[in-house]
Amino acid sequence: DTAVSQTPKYLVTQMGNDKSIKCEQNLGHDTMYWYKQDSKKFLKIMFSYNNKELIINETVPNRFSPKSPDKAHLNLHINSLELGDSAVYFCASSQEQYEQYFGPGTRLTVT
Amino acid sequence: AQSVTQLGSHVSVSEGALVLLRCNYSSSVPPYLFWYVQYPNQGLQLLLKYTTGATLVKGINGFEAEFKKSETSFHLTKPSAHMSDAAEYFCAVTSYSSASKIIFGSGTRLSIRP
Repeated sequence: DTAVSQTPKYLVTQMGNDKSIKCEQNLGHDTMYWYKQDSKKFLKIMFSYNNKELIINETVPNRFSPKSPDKAHLNLHINSLELGDSAVYFCASSQEQYEQYFGPGTRLTVT
Repeated sequence: AQSVTQLGSHVSVSEGALVLLRCNYSSSVPPYLFWYVQYPNQGLQLLLKYTTGATLVKGINGFEAEFKKSETSFHLTKPSAHMSDAAEYFCAVTSYSSASKIIFGSGTRLSIRP
């Protein structure tokens, strides 16, 4: 039974398109995150929600918009995709300031 | 502000040899420290963590790390490397007051030679 799941696992799309990535956690955690991992494996936090409330919003283009319908779900919508958006996107969840549990990642390729 | 530095983007050891991955942190408040492992095409998995208490912490797969406040270090070790240890390793820091934000290091790729 997967703790943090993401869909889709792979996403190939063209520049200018709009796409969404979905994340769900069944751990009962209050906090969820989106990270971007680039080709050099550098992990950068993008957003964090605590119980459906946005608490971390790093310097991310406005084309990226997170949405949390409930505390078990955090989706990421990306408008007008650019080549530089190609990366692996990870969802994670945690309870307070403790360890984060990561999803398997979504590899986004923009052509 | 907090930060973490991992020394060496790539470490290569022979199977059976000692593994040592270095991590130094900067924090103006008591840190919580973590090591995560990422196997190819997978998400990150927690290896071990330090929050308070005993400074030598043991994790999964035979790994351990020691919190040294005087050296601001949290190096990861394993006495004998196994081929299955080949992966990317990330050190991370947060604190009770950081509003859930964890800062990750740039990662160290561990290769194991037969």
